[in-house]
Amino acid sequence: QQPVQSPQAVILREGEDAVINCSSSKALYSVHWYRQKHGEAPVFLMILLKGGEQKGHEKISASFNEKKQQSSLYLTASQLSYSGTYFCGRGGSQGNLIFGKGTKLSVKP
Amino acid sequence: NAGVTQTPKFQVLKTGQSMTLQCAQDMNHEYMSWYRQDPGMGLRLIHYSVGAGITDQGEVPNGYNVSRSTTEDFPLRLLSAAPSQTSVYFCASSLRFSGNTIYFGEGSWLTVV
Repeated sequence: QQPVQSPQAVILREGEDAVINCSSSKALYSVHWYRQKHGEAPVFLMILLKGGEQKGHEKISASFNEKKQQSSLYLTASQLSYSGTYFCGRGGSQGNLIFGKGTKLSVKP
Repeated sequence: NAGVTQTPKFQVLKTGQSMTLQCAQDMNHEYMSWYRQDPGMGLRLIHYSVGAGITDQGEVPNGYNVSRSTTEDFPLRLLSAAPSQTSVYFCASSLRFSGNTIYFGEGSWLTVV
């Protein structure tokens, strides 16, 4: 089963913050976050491995609550370059990755 | 470094034809997989492999066949193409562990008419 992402779409002005949520009904060994721009391959953002862990990548960070099987991606002070579709992926025990349906983020000037 | 290489980039097929999408990686990754991407559906796992000679089904395996004779190559075969297989296909690879980064190829756009 695919992880469930929310919201499906969000529109921001430059400088605003956003949160994208990802929840899974199946056990999460890891959570992966990717961003994809139109016509391109997904690009890796970060992996979270342990419950409660928070990672950061410049102004993009994420948390992983293993107990609730949820992860959230935080985008701070958004830039135009943040526009794209964000996918979370549920990492399986063998390394296979099941993605959610994505959240489309549009950042306007 | 070439990374993950997919060919062809674009292909148009007639219903019932067969074809193979090629995928090769030069990173000595054990794990390789194929995804298809359709509007509003995200990336769905078709088949994956955790090493040469080992393959397994993902979420949407019907109509597709794979084999893994070498570590480097993981071709995806469409045995009898159907319009429902019109999609963008991505090959991906990683070291075999849940916590490793998965690297994607550039994608193959397939249209079945």
